[in-house]
Amino acid sequence: QVQLQESGPGLVKPSETLSLTCIVSGGSISNYYWSWIRQPAGKGLEWLGRIHTSGSTNYNPSLKSRLTMSVDTSKNQFSLKLSSVTAADTALYYCARVAYGDSEMWGQGTLVTVSS
Amino acid sequence: QSVLTQPPSASGTPGQRVTISCSGSSSNIGSNHVYWYQQLPGTAPKLLIYRNNQRPSGVPDRFSVSKSGTSASLAISGLRSEDEADYYCAAWDDSLSGYFMFGGGTKLTV
Repeated sequence: QVQLQESGPGLVKPSETLSLTCIVSGGSISNYYWSWIRQPAGKGLEWLGRIHTSGSTNYNPSLKSRLTMSVDTSKNQFSLKLSSVTAADTALYYCARVAYGDSEMWGQGTLVTVSS
Repeated sequence: QSVLTQPPSASGTPGQRVTISCSGSSSNIGSNHVYWYQQLPGTAPKLLIYRNNQRPSGVPDRFSVSKSGTSASLAISGLRSEDEADYYCAAWDDSLSGYFMFGGGTKLTV
């Protein structure tokens, strides 16, 4: 069974870059789009963007200038970088394979706090 | 601010039928599939409905959807206490370079 696991620092300073990695286990990462989604405490879901294993990306227009996603098929993982973070970027960050019907899957999420 | 508009809350009693609306536009719901998610407290969202009206295996047929133009609705019949959760609609939007979006979410109280 395919599983997703987010990893990265739980604390990031304001103005710095938030970096997260999602490791995909139990199956190949290839030939799918992989997404990042976040959820501030007590608030709704926000789709950040997605990357295909070919390298093609789509980003949320409101975050596009600060976002970079990458994929490493040899390590079966993909990554997120969000630059110039502020307290508003504090959230639970999920990696996921969304909009694939029965084969949709989500990681458990990782909490990232932006604070000095 | 979400482009997909949902009511912030909904409620019902056990056994009732409740509906949750999701209003969008021609560039999202009007031209793409709608997805619905259920999020129980402290857990990741779970896909309830995909491609407008398909249910993943394990999702009971108490959950159904309708779509008309630029709006969609999730209906839950035979309401149960375990249905108390946050519900989100989602869709792809064709504007700009294309992106996926979630509604603001609806807290269902049973």
